Amino acid sequence: DTEVTQTPKHLVMGMTNKKSLKCEQHMGHRAMYWYKQKAKKPPELMFVYSYEKLSINESVPSRFSPECPNSSLLNLHLHALQPEDSALYLCASSRAQRNEQFFGPGTRLTVL
Amino acid sequence: ILNVEQSPQSLHVQEGDSTNFTCSFPSSNFYALHWYRWETAKSPEALFVMTLNGDEKKKGRISATLNTKEGYSYLYIKGSQPEDSATYLCASLNRDDKIIFGKGTRLHILP
Repeated sequence: DTEVTQTPKHLVMGMTNKKSLKCEQHMGHRAMYWYKQKAKKPPELMFVYSYEKLSINESVPSRFSPECPNSSLLNLHLHALQPEDSALYLCASSRAQRNEQFFGPGTRLTVL
Repeated sequence: ILNVEQSPQSLHVQEGDSTNFTCSFPSSNFYALHWYRWETAKSPEALFVMTLNGDEKKKGRISATLNTKEGYSYLYIKGSQPEDSATYLCASLNRDDKIIFGKGTRLHILP
């Protein structure tokens, strides 16, 4: 299995909702990443987990809360988001940090 | 250069022609340069990871070069085909494991 899967594909939520994005890989990769991508902009790194420990947090607001329950799963918990948080959220994994990354198809998030 | 810059933003190339585009990145604290291809409605796909000055990598009709001293990489596509239409992203990784993506070059192959 050489895929990174993300669920859901699309998510619409209100500013008071709590929701979670899920990412899964079964390639034995030990690094996993969350990126945010807005239209016509490059992907922006949010978080990196390495060996299930948070390695990098790019000063992301606390309304985004990552979680890595095991080496195959990465979640992004969302709470009290703002309309400007609407974007494509991409998950990626790599054998280790610094290796080439394998991306999921993304979750298109709309915050109303 | 503090950001990763890619040029041109967009490119139209006749099928069969060869083309190239550029990625400029910070040369200080550099560790690696990644190239990805992102086709519409698909996930970004890794093309190359390059670390050493003077590196040249090739995958089929696509090749890339790296100059870490001056902070640039070229991606070349020989004999463009319709399936090459995609956005090509480069990303610079530094020794602190910070990765910065460029905005990409959007390539359109004209039949």
